[in-house]
Amino acid sequence: QQQVKQSPQSLIVQKGGISIINCAYENTAFDYFPWYQQFPGKGPALLIAIRPDVSEKKEGRFTISFNKSAKQFSLHIMDSQPGDSATYFCAAKVSGSARQLTFGSGTQLTVLP
Amino acid sequence: DAMVIQNPRYQVTQFGKPVTLSCSQTLNHNVMYWYQQKSSQAPKLLFHYYDKDFNNEADTPDNFQSRRPNTSFCFLDIRSPGLGDAAMYLCATSREGSFTDTQYFGPGTRLTVL
Repeated sequence: QQQVKQSPQSLIVQKGGISIINCAYENTAFDYFPWYQQFPGKGPALLIAIRPDVSEKKEGRFTISFNKSAKQFSLHIMDSQPGDSATYFCAAKVSGSARQLTFGSGTQLTVLP
Repeated sequence: DAMVIQNPRYQVTQFGKPVTLSCSQTLNHNVMYWYQQKSSQAPKLLFHYYDKDFNNEADTPDNFQSRRPNTSFCFLDIRSPGLGDAAMYLCATSREGSFTDTQYFGPGTRLTVL
């Protein structure tokens, strides 16, 4: 099963709040989990990525939490800002091969000023 | 500095009129990908080149073709665009065998079919 399930489909957060987006996967061969941020009319840009040998990775206000046993990972955006308003895609891949990223369905985040 | 460049950014074509989209990269990556993204959807992989080896996805219509004349350039040819082919077309690159496996996306080409 190659699917990556992402939720919620849309999220509205007040400025300064915490945004949380969740993803779940089935394929235990996946070992690279990136998150992409996409603004309207732009290509996706890598935000942060994690491998399953760690349970958490933090870069500035963005944190990935990873639960290998549950096959779930999530993106936390602390102190959310209006400039964070974008579509976020989680993805998964089997590293070391030129195989496609399996994307989640995307989350439209709106941060209210 | 731009790393993955796509031209044109916007392309308007007529139903059935062939169109070519281009992608170039300054990263010297060995893999180049073409994705189709429709509104409010995730990118959908059409095909990729691993070096010179072409890899087509099983559900990519025959209407879509690709060329990679050298490491830096890759083209997407749509032989007879239909209304359903209107979408954002994204080029991406990666260096397979690297630790990060990161795919870098270009800004995309928005295709309109009249």
